[in-house]
Amino acid sequence: AQTVTQSQPEMSVQEAETVTLSCTYDTSESDYYLFWYKQPPSRQMILVIRQEAYKQQNATENRFSVNFQKAAKSFSLKISDSQLGDAAMYFCAYAALYSNTGKLIFGQGTTLQVKP
Amino acid sequence: GAVVSQHPSWVICKSGTSVKIECRSLDFQATTMFWYRQFPKQSLMLMATSNEGSKATYEQGVEKDKFLINHASLTLSTLTVTSAHPEDSSFYICSARPFSQGYDGYTFGSGTRLTVV
Repeated sequence: AQTVTQSQPEMSVQEAETVTLSCTYDTSESDYYLFWYKQPPSRQMILVIRQEAYKQQNATENRFSVNFQKAAKSFSLKISDSQLGDAAMYFCAYAALYSNTGKLIFGQGTTLQVKP
Repeated sequence: GAVVSQHPSWVICKSGTSVKIECRSLDFQATTMFWYRQFPKQSLMLMATSNEGSKATYEQGVEKDKFLINHASLTLSTLTVTSAHPEDSSFYICSARPFSQGYDGYTFGSGTRLTVV
């Protein structure tokens, strides 16, 4: 069974600084997708970034980038120039590419605090 | 982009009554929808996968008779919490996977906060 692990329950960063959130996963599949979702206090789930496992290039979205290490099954999220609005709970998630259900498997989450 | 509307946003009900939560895809057809439960400061726990026109697939440990899921059309899935008890109080979130959008298309509802008194 696939699992996703986020070992950092809480992280904090100073405004304008850079922070990295860690995520590891376990799967026997070779084709899959990885995601980072943000859940602010409103609890609305927001997609931050997505990575296809078959792509070697790390995904980037403005201030957000990932370090995808397929062999190590690691998928970390780097937030540059942190802003107060980045404060939220962040979830790493996995989805098998050829799964019948396509369900997302979430990690435990990391609460990010941004200090002014 | 794809939008999922979830209602109600919050509901308070008496112990022993049933509550229905709706999840609608507004501008796309969703052959598959997912229902999650989330406790404060915890992760989303998948309860069941809802497929249009067929029975839902429940995750291990989820009571089928307590959490009834119906996906009668390509735009609507409902979760009914039957004979609710205080321990059913939680935040419930639905997610839809649009038919033709692959993995770009996971869209989440805004969630329903259920309080059973």
